Amino acid sequence: DQQVKQNSPSLSVQEGRISILNCDYTNSMFDYFLWYKKYPAEGPTFLISISSIKDKNEDGRFTVFLNKSAKHLSLHIVPSQPGDSAVYFCAANDTRGTNAGKSTFGDGTTLTVKP
Amino acid sequence: EAGVAQSPRYKIIEKRQSVAFWCNPISGHATLYWYQQILGQGPKLLIQFQNNGVVDDSQLPKDRFSAERLKGVDSTLKIQPAKLEDSAVYLCASSLTINAGKNEQFFGPGTRLTVL
Repeated sequence: DQQVKQNSPSLSVQEGRISILNCDYTNSMFDYFLWYKKYPAEGPTFLISISSIKDKNEDGRFTVFLNKSAKHLSLHIVPSQPGDSAVYFCAANDTRGTNAGKSTFGDGTTLTVKP
Repeated sequence: EAGVAQSPRYKIIEKRQSVAFWCNPISGHATLYWYQQILGQGPKLLIQFQNNGVVDDSQLPKDRFSAERLKGVDSTLKIQPAKLEDSAVYLCASSLTINAGKNEQFFGPGTRLTVL
């Protein structure tokens, strides 16, 4: 049973346009959500996060939106740049109790930004 | 600041052989993770250490996989004997502490294992 799902394996957008990557989760105990970016032959790197007490977090061109009632989050990249082409992983944490420190990852979405 | 180091970067072995991976986390990071990432999937946690103690190894196939983190710094992950389905990228990650809210993890480049 996959608790974090990224239903779009790939996404292609034109440079300068908006990229929207989606993530759904099933475990209502998750209270922190992170996005990681991964280039080929490298490990994932942290991009942006959001606590469950917020519904939006913005960092430069990157904004993450959280809809707790729908158990859905999305990452918006505006404007998209060719250097944003990578695999994006959604991760969810339950920061309490024995699960503290663990992240559950989705399967990733490969973003391609065309010049 | 040096990142998470892993070696080797690539390894090709025959099934039933043994293999070991090494990880050196970021200095001062108390928590260390080993993940298995199969092509097309997200990282799956194998084992989590806090200093030199195991926090979670519930997903580690203990009949063939073992891991240790002596002295609470670097760590090794071993597979003995390997199976075809162990072909994957093995990622090591570290974080400052598990009690850090978002618990941002820093990943190494991974070891790509191919079992023939």
